[in-house]
Amino acid sequence: NAGVTQTPKFQVLKTGQSMTLQCAQDMNHEYMSWYRQDPGMGLRLIHYSVGAGITDQGEVPNGYNVSRSTTEDFPLRLLSAAPSQTSVYFCASSYRSGLYNEQFFGPGTRLTVL
Amino acid sequence: GNSVTQMEGPVTLSEEAFLTINCTYTATGYPSLFWYVQYPGEGLQLLLKATKADDKGSNKGFEATYRKETTSFHLEKGSVQVSDSAVYFCALASGGSNYKLTFGKGTLLTVNP
Repeated sequence: NAGVTQTPKFQVLKTGQSMTLQCAQDMNHEYMSWYRQDPGMGLRLIHYSVGAGITDQGEVPNGYNVSRSTTEDFPLRLLSAAPSQTSVYFCASSYRSGLYNEQFFGPGTRLTVL
Repeated sequence: GNSVTQMEGPVTLSEEAFLTINCTYTATGYPSLFWYVQYPGEGLQLLLKATKADDKGSNKGFEATYRKETTSFHLEKGSVQVSDSAVYFCALASGGSNYKLTFGKGTLLTVNP
């Protein structure tokens, strides 16, 4: 199993550009989520999904869109990038059954918005 | 709302020293508590967890005990190694929702030989 994969690893954007961060998992996990990691802020939840076709907002959703058309993929879209979105983005997934299952994290995407 | 407070770093220790990283929380109900570790350039990995009061989570020589009376989940290791150098995050999940983790700000640990 590849686990949770994210592409690209690094990206530089100009203010106003749009892009999609890709996330895929091959563990048949129902739950998937996106976090951003900023210095001194820990990880903050952006959006999450409990299954294909179901998404919801986390703590910091503004400026980001998500969709979940398949169990495997959970892309994160930046519609009009802003310097405040410079961050490291992590995708995570876990099983749905049972409580408090371990979340598996991808290696991250480091995004810089100029 | 839920919140997690970790001791601020960075923490620098010599090899074989004793490690404590403090973590306290505020949550509704009875949360589950976690420690995640992030090695340089990598994503987060679950280090240990505890799902009810007085549970002790342990892994790779690290331990943490769920203390409901003090709302704490301090991470300890008796003898750290250079390979333990990483960022450690305390986190909680409550209300039966494992996908909604609330993280502390993280503590950078550097272990020198």
